[in-house]
Amino acid sequence: GDQVEQSPSALSLHEGTGSALRCNFTTTMRAVQWFRKNSRGSLINLFYLASGTKENGRLKSAFDSKERYSTLHIRDAQLEDSGTYFCAARTGGYKVVFGSGTRLLVSP
Amino acid sequence: DAGVTQTPRHEVAEKGQTIILKCEPVSGHNDLFWYRQTKIQGLELLSYFRSKSLMEDGGAFKDRFKAEMLNSSFSTLKIQPTEPKDSAVYLCASSFRQSAETLYFGSGTRLTVL
Repeated sequence: GDQVEQSPSALSLHEGTGSALRCNFTTTMRAVQWFRKNSRGSLINLFYLASGTKENGRLKSAFDSKERYSTLHIRDAQLEDSGTYFCAARTGGYKVVFGSGTRLLVSP
Repeated sequence: DAGVTQTPRHEVAEKGQTIILKCEPVSGHNDLFWYRQTKIQGLELLSYFRSKSLMEDGGAFKDRFKAEMLNSSFSTLKIQPTEPKDSAVYLCASSFRQSAETLYFGSGTRLTVL
């Protein structure tokens, strides 16, 4: 079936540094959404992309349907960025397939 | 502008009980999803409604899980009878058009079955 492989599963960053999360898809997806799970357990929308790139502050995301991947770049990481990040891909139908999440810890 | 509202936030049930979880989607959204989230399985789709019509009935979850959408602004998920393995966070999400719009999630209901 449709699968999403998200990496890394865990990531540690020092404040001010940056890195990238990645989701690879086993099939062509129509769109991808990135979420962050906050301290209360709520899934907070970060980006929705049907193609191309989007940027919001220190976050930038890209989605390439043809190459079957999406990335989420974090730059100048802050302590409050800590949390679990998920990608979720929209298949051709109504289904949404989630990645397994990346646990990000930002330390001083 | 209200997002997706789920109640209760926490529910504790004895094995064999019936519990009902509630969800109010974002006003105007016509797609509603119920998911179950566990550490092992991740996010599993339970039900999907489009304009109040049930499009996905949950496959393996059919026997004890029943989702209903009584009107465009309210949905319930009934688990009957509950089992300890049902302990998880249950998430409700809505979107305006399933193929092209952002999914908005509620804060979830954490269910513990003893």
